[in-house]
Amino acid sequence: GQQVMQIPQYQHVQEGEDFTTYCNSSTTLSNIQWYKQRPGGHPVFLIQLVKSGEVKKQKRLTFQFGEAKKNSSLHITATQTTDVGTYFCAGPGAGGTSYGKLTFGQGTILTVHP
Amino acid sequence: DAGVIQSPRHEVTEMGQEVTLRCKPISGHDYLFWYRQTMMRGLELLIYFNNNVPIDDSGMPEDRFSAKMPNASFSTLKIQPSEPRDSAVYFCASNSGNTIYFGEGSWLTVV
Repeated sequence: GQQVMQIPQYQHVQEGEDFTTYCNSSTTLSNIQWYKQRPGGHPVFLIQLVKSGEVKKQKRLTFQFGEAKKNSSLHITATQTTDVGTYFCAGPGAGGTSYGKLTFGQGTILTVHP
Repeated sequence: DAGVIQSPRHEVTEMGQEVTLRCKPISGHDYLFWYRQTMMRGLELLIYFNNNVPIDDSGMPEDRFSAKMPNASFSTLKIQPSEPRDSAVYFCASNSGNTIYFGEGSWLTVV
């Protein structure tokens, strides 16, 4: 079945440093979504990418969707302590649509040292 | 909007007991999902419903797990009998478009 692999599993950065997490799918994705989960919290939707090569920005966060629509990345510029949490990518499961089952990556746990 | 509401937030139960988790999706959302999250296995989709009808339950681990959605505003996930390996955070989520909204989760500990 479809797999969504995410690396790294953990990332420790000093406040002010940049951070990037990568997501790779074994199959072409119709879209990819990113979620953030704070410690002890629940996943919160950040963004969806749909087009090949798409780049979207949210303040210090930059999201990219690969040309082949099989990989994606999330880059945070100048991390802050508020960025702490786990970042997940998710793609539609096999046979799924945007509204259907999502396959989540294992997530990247980001810790930021002040 | 109150968001996706789950109860209980925390439950500690003894092995062999029945556990019922409840979920109220966001009004108007026609998809409802049950996820389980553990350190070892990450976020796993257990089952999802569309317009109250179960569409895919391939993620349900065993016959001990069952889920129902009797109406558009209520769903349950039941574990009977519960086992220690069922300890996890169970999330309910709903959507009616591209964005999935998660509830705050039910933290289940089976001792």
